[in-house]
Amino acid sequence: SQTIHQWPATLVQPVGSPLSLECTVEGTSNPNLYWYRQAAGRGLQLLFYSVGIGQISSEVPQNLSASRPQDRQFILSSKKLLLSDSGFYLCAWDRGQRELFFGEGSRLTVL
Amino acid sequence: TQLLEQSPQFLSIQEGENLTVYCNSSSVFSSLQWYRQEPGEGPVLLVTVVTGGEVKKLKRLTFQFGDARKDSSLHITAAQPGDTGLYLCAGATGNQFYFGTGTSLTVIP
Repeated sequence: SQTIHQWPATLVQPVGSPLSLECTVEGTSNPNLYWYRQAAGRGLQLLFYSVGIGQISSEVPQNLSASRPQDRQFILSSKKLLLSDSGFYLCAWDRGQRELFFGEGSRLTVL
Repeated sequence: TQLLEQSPQFLSIQEGENLTVYCNSSSVFSSLQWYRQEPGEGPVLLVTVVTGGEVKKLKRLTFQFGDARKDSSLHITAAQPGDTGLYLCAGATGNQFYFGTGTSLTVIP
C-alpha cells in the first residue's frame, strides 16, 4: 500500500533562518506531488506541484522554493523565513486518479 | 489561482439536525472532491464527483456536482458528533487541485 510521510512534524524557527521540510512517498512510482499551506481552520493554498523529477510549478510567488531530487521525494525550502511563513504545511500526492492523499502535516512557527 | 468559496464558514448544530454546505466558483473543473479534516491532521477524501449534475451518496452524506461543473453541495442528514470537523471542497483542473475556503462544522450532542 502507498504511504506518505513528511517531517519534521513541528518546527519553531527565528525570522531570517533557513527552512527545509521533506516529504517522501512509498509504494508508488511517478506520483504527482504537491505542497500546500493552511491557515488555522481555513482552506489550503497550493504552493508548488511537480509532475516529475526536477519539474516544479509555482502557484504563488513568495519566499519559498521547492525541489524534487528523486521520484518520490519533495522538499520545501526557504533561505530566510518571514513571520508570514508560519502555518501548517501539507504534502500530498496523486496518480491522476483525481484523489489527493496527504501527509501528516508540518506545523511551522516563525518567531 | 482558482477561487472556491464555501458557505457557511462556521456551522454549529444539534445532533440529529440536517445541514447543507455549499462550494461555489466561477471556474469550470474537470472534477470536484470533498475532504474532511481533523485538527492537526491532513484532509481525508470523502468523495469525487466528475459529471455535471452527478449525485453521490455516502451513508448520511449526499454530494452533488452542479450541471455546469462550477459548484457543489454537501448535505448531511441527521448529523452526529462524529461528523464534527473541517469540510473542504477541491476543484481539479489539469494537474492542479484548488481548495475551497473551508466549513468548520460542530455537532453538539
